[in-house]
Amino acid sequence: QLQLQESGPGLVKPSETLSLTCTVSGGSISSSSYYWGWIRQPPGKGLEWIGSIYYSGTTYYNPSLKSRVTISVDASKNQFSLKLSSVTAADTAVYYCARLARIVDYFDYWGQGTLVTVSS
Amino acid sequence: QTVVTQEPSFSVSPGGTVTLTCGLSSGSVSSSYYPSWYQQTPGQAPRTLIYSTNTRSSGVPDRFSGSILGNKAALTITGAQADDESDYYCVLYMGSGISVFGGGTKLTVL
Repeated sequence: QLQLQESGPGLVKPSETLSLTCTVSGGSISSSSYYWGWIRQPPGKGLEWIGSIYYSGTTYYNPSLKSRVTISVDASKNQFSLKLSSVTAADTAVYYCARLARIVDYFDYWGQGTLVTVSS
Repeated sequence: QTVVTQEPSFSVSPGGTVTLTCGLSSGSVSSSYYPSWYQQTPGQAPRTLIYSTNTRSSGVPDRFSGSILGNKAALTITGAQADDESDYYCVLYMGSGISVFGGGTKLTVL
């Protein structure tokens, strides 16, 4: 059974860079059938797609976040990562990693999510 | 930027049928947007219900169904149960690797 697990600091200071890693187990991140994505949810609000990456390193970003987001993949560790720079309180959210099935473009497996709070 | 629209809230009686919709601020939704639907209860990760307009994800009961109704994607719940009370999100694929979530619908079963 595929599992995804987010990890990283739960507290980040304003103007700094948020960094999270998603570790994939029970399957290979190098599968040609899937992308790997990040989604976030501010407290009490809806879900927002941040971006996705293919195992080859090809990335796709939400245009509204593109200037601050970097997603990378480390196939040797079966992990992919998110960096969000210049964070503000508006970036406080639960961050989820997920697998995105190619061709039919849907998120079929999700991590449990991790809360990141931006505060001094 | 294109906005994906959903009803903010909806209510249904136990045993009743409800249809939630997913539209575009400009234009019509078709199957080429690969609409997918997710259910989320408080404190939990989303659960995948429907993908590619009308394909149920593994383990999803057949009282959940997806379709295109007019110019929107739709999620219909037939025979609503108390534990269907959740937030429901649709996602549309916009091309060029970009996915957009709708704002979500809070469904109350009462």
